[in-house]
Amino acid sequence: IQLTQSPSLLSASVGDRVTLSCKGSQNINNYLAWYQQKLGEAPKLLIYNTNSLQTGIPSRFSGSGSGTDYTLTISSLQPEDVATYFCYQYNNGWTFGGGTKLELK
Amino acid sequence: QVTLKESGPGMLQPSKTLSLTCSFSGFSLSTSGMVVSWIRQPSGKSLEWLAAIDWDGDKYYNPSLKSRLTVSKDTSNTQVFLKITSVDTADTATYYCARSWNYPGITPDYWGQGVMVTVSS
Repeated sequence: IQLTQSPSLLSASVGDRVTLSCKGSQNINNYLAWYQQKLGEAPKLLIYNTNSLQTGIPSRFSGSGSGTDYTLTISSLQPEDVATYFCYQYNNGWTFGGGTKLELK
Repeated sequence: QVTLKESGPGMLQPSKTLSLTCSFSGFSLSTSGMVVSWIRQPSGKSLEWLAAIDWDGDKYYNPSLKSRLTVSKDTSNTQVFLKITSVDTADTATYYCARSWNYPGITPDYWGQGVMVTVSS
């Protein structure tokens, strides 16, 4: 299964509601996770099973979707959210999306 | 406290075999449901899932690389290894090992810091 993330680059202001998209080439059956990777660091698990928040992750992060289309939403962007975000599917094999780089406007 | 740390040669020549070690603490790979994966990331690019081994010794591979990959673990269940044969410059990347436990599928939660590997003549 191939994952396509959009946009590849997103500029937003502190306090904005931000939406990142991930589209699969086939049905993912909700077996989708989101990772955050800050510069020079390993990825961090944010969301698994489409909408389950990993322990310790702020509630401003949420996930939704079904079938082939999934979304990560940050309800109120904070400066520490600047990072690249990857979606990851584990329904059929294991693949990552190309990433969305989130920067401050 | 769960920690993982990757180690490798740093640099190797094309056509050689890359050997990587993941040493971990804070959990045992003998625990039911535990999985350790290898994932790599070329500089400035996305992530590529490579292989995994679970508590029962079952192994999982990326189909596009399967013929070149071998994942294994030690008998003390505190280290996991990855070998990649016939490397070329496209294998230049940061290699991560990561743990999964009690998640559906293989969903890495704890990651190592990564080890950079350069393939160059």
